[in-house]
Amino acid sequence: GAVVSQHPSRVICKSGTSVKIECRSLDFQATTMFWYRQFPKQSLMLMATSNEGSKATYEQGVEKDKFLINHASLTLSTLTVTSAHPEDSSFYICSAARNNEQFFGPGTRLTVL
Amino acid sequence: SQQGEEDPQALSIQEGENATMNCSYKTSINNLQWYRQNSGRGLVHLILIRSNEREKHSGRLRVTLDTSKKSSSLLITASRAADTASYFCATEGTGRRALTFGSGTRLQVQP
Repeated sequence: GAVVSQHPSRVICKSGTSVKIECRSLDFQATTMFWYRQFPKQSLMLMATSNEGSKATYEQGVEKDKFLINHASLTLSTLTVTSAHPEDSSFYICSAARNNEQFFGPGTRLTVL
Repeated sequence: SQQGEEDPQALSIQEGENATMNCSYKTSINNLQWYRQNSGRGLVHLILIRSNEREKHSGRLRVTLDTSKKSSSLLITASRAADTASYFCATEGTGRRALTFGSGTRLQVQP
């Protein structure tokens, strides 16, 4: 199967700090990964498309300087939430594309105090 | 917003009954997928239907797709308490691999 992991699964941080979330494809290589955000009782919204070896493509309204994405290898993409605020508290889910399918990670719950 | 709409937003049924959820979307698609999410958890892929398909079955799941109406439905037959979850449709648009998710339906199956 195609397995995608995320680390950490939960993180609590103070306002103003930065948090890095990792997304790994464990048994396949993914040139493209996607980052989604889900607020409580809402749907998933695409934040950005992460391409290995190139800059990420951000959706309208998502600040690229606040949500730093690095896709340095074919199995790892990272999302760094910089200078986190309480309104950044959310569930962050990544997915990795293989052929015509996407495989989702288990998500990371971020709580900013 | 390009996000699709789902109805109903919430659905409560008894075990053994069928549950039907509907999804509408806005753009041309390559495929439409249905996912399940238990509270606070990740997504579980249920079924994918391509734009040239009209109906697909998988176990107790039946999905239909009407591209002329830009709509899809998910039917869960003989529901179980364990089917309690949120269900999302997601579309892969033509020329765009990222998925656009619907607003979701929260299904509660009473034992």
